[in-house]
Amino acid sequence: AQKVTQTQTSISVMEKTTVTMDCVYETQDSSYFLFWYKQTASGEIVFLIRQDSYKKENATVGHYSLNFQKPKSSIGLIITATQIEDSAVYFCAMRELNTGANTGKLTFGHGTILRVHP
Amino acid sequence: AQTIHQWPVAEIKAVGSPLSLGCTIKGKSSPNLYWYWQATGGTLQQLFYSITVGQVESVVQLNLSASRPKDDQFILSTEKLLLSHSGFYLCAWSRDKNTGQLYFGEGSKLTVL
Repeated sequence: AQKVTQTQTSISVMEKTTVTMDCVYETQDSSYFLFWYKQTASGEIVFLIRQDSYKKENATVGHYSLNFQKPKSSIGLIITATQIEDSAVYFCAMRELNTGANTGKLTFGHGTILRVHP
Repeated sequence: AQTIHQWPVAEIKAVGSPLSLGCTIKGKSSPNLYWYWQATGGTLQQLFYSITVGQVESVVQLNLSASRPKDDQFILSTEKLLLSHSGFYLCAWSRDKNTGQLYFGEGSKLTVL
């Protein structure tokens, strides 16, 4: 069964620093997709970045990047030059390829609270 | 551009009362639509999905039901609320059916007393 684990409950950093959030996953499938989402204080959930398991290059979008370590089943989110508005809950999620594409089933971790201080 | 809107933003309801939450997506024809639920401080759990009008698949049983009355509309409902129904309900759609990447609405917060 697929499982996503985020061991860090919360992280506090100073503004303009770099932070890494951890995520490990379990899957029996050889192909899968990994996602990071951000949930703001209003509850809105925003897609940030995706890593396809067959790609060796780490995905990068703006000041978000991923540290994909497939042998360790690990997908870390790196935020560089953090800003106050990056304060939010960050969720890691996975979809196995053999899960029907139409089902929209993502398995989410329990989230990591990020607090960015001035 | 596609937009997804949920209503109401928040509801406070009594145990045993009925509930209806709605979701509308604009700018996308024949979207796949999904309902997710999040307990306060918890993770997200998929409840239902629909790939076409009139067709809804249940993923977990939480004494809730869903319907797809129009191509752009997805409704979540129950006739009798339980305390355990409290939480945050999110509607989502998928732009890329291969990856399953989801885009979420603003959510509806439900408090059952």
